[in-house]
Amino acid sequence: IQMTQSPSSLSASVGDTVTITCRASQDIRNDLNWYQQKPGKAPKRLVYAASSLQSGVPSRFSGSGSGTEFSLTISSLQPEDFATYYCLQHNSYPRFTFGPGTKVDIK
Amino acid sequence: QVQLVESGGGLVKPGGSLRLSCVASGFTFSHYYMTWIRQAPGKGLEWISYISSSGNNVYYADSVKGRFTISRDNAKNSLYLQVNSLRAEDTAIYYCARALMDVWGKGTTVTVS
Repeated sequence: IQMTQSPSSLSASVGDTVTITCRASQDIRNDLNWYQQKPGKAPKRLVYAASSLQSGVPSRFSGSGSGTEFSLTISSLQPEDFATYYCLQHNSYPRFTFGPGTKVDIK
Repeated sequence: QVQLVESGGGLVKPGGSLRLSCVASGFTFSHYYMTWIRQAPGKGLEWISYISSSGNNVYYADSVKGRFTISRDNAKNSLYLQVNSLRAEDTAIYYCARALMDVWGKGTTVTVS
């Protein structure tokens, strides 16, 4: 299963709402997670099962979608949200595929 | 608290070997399958290996199959990755992660040069 993400990068301002899209090459139901990675740090899971928010993650993050198209939305972007975001499909368990990533930086 | 700590990385010549370790704490290690993921400098995340909770089932990405071996010791709460026949393109940070990658270690760096 191949994963694509769009855009590959975006520039946004604090307070903006941004949406990142992840597409799968075949139906993966809702077997998708979203991760945030900051420079020099390990990835952190934000969303699992496409739309379930990880405990402790701010509610400005939300995930949606099923089948082949998914999105991660960050409402009211905060300074600490500037990072790279990855989707991960686990429908082909025990093999997994990450998307190529979307870098969100400051406009 | 739930924690994974990797070690064993380093600088190695092409063709060399290393054994990476990941020690788990704060949860019942033997109940979870585990995975290794790597990230080359400036690149994205790549899943490379999986091991079932018992250790009886293992899977590898094509990029490392035949060169890397995953194993675990549930009595020691430890996960391992034996990396052999290393190539320049194996240079990366290697992370261990629990199950559906809800918990990650900080990573250990492997440099092949």
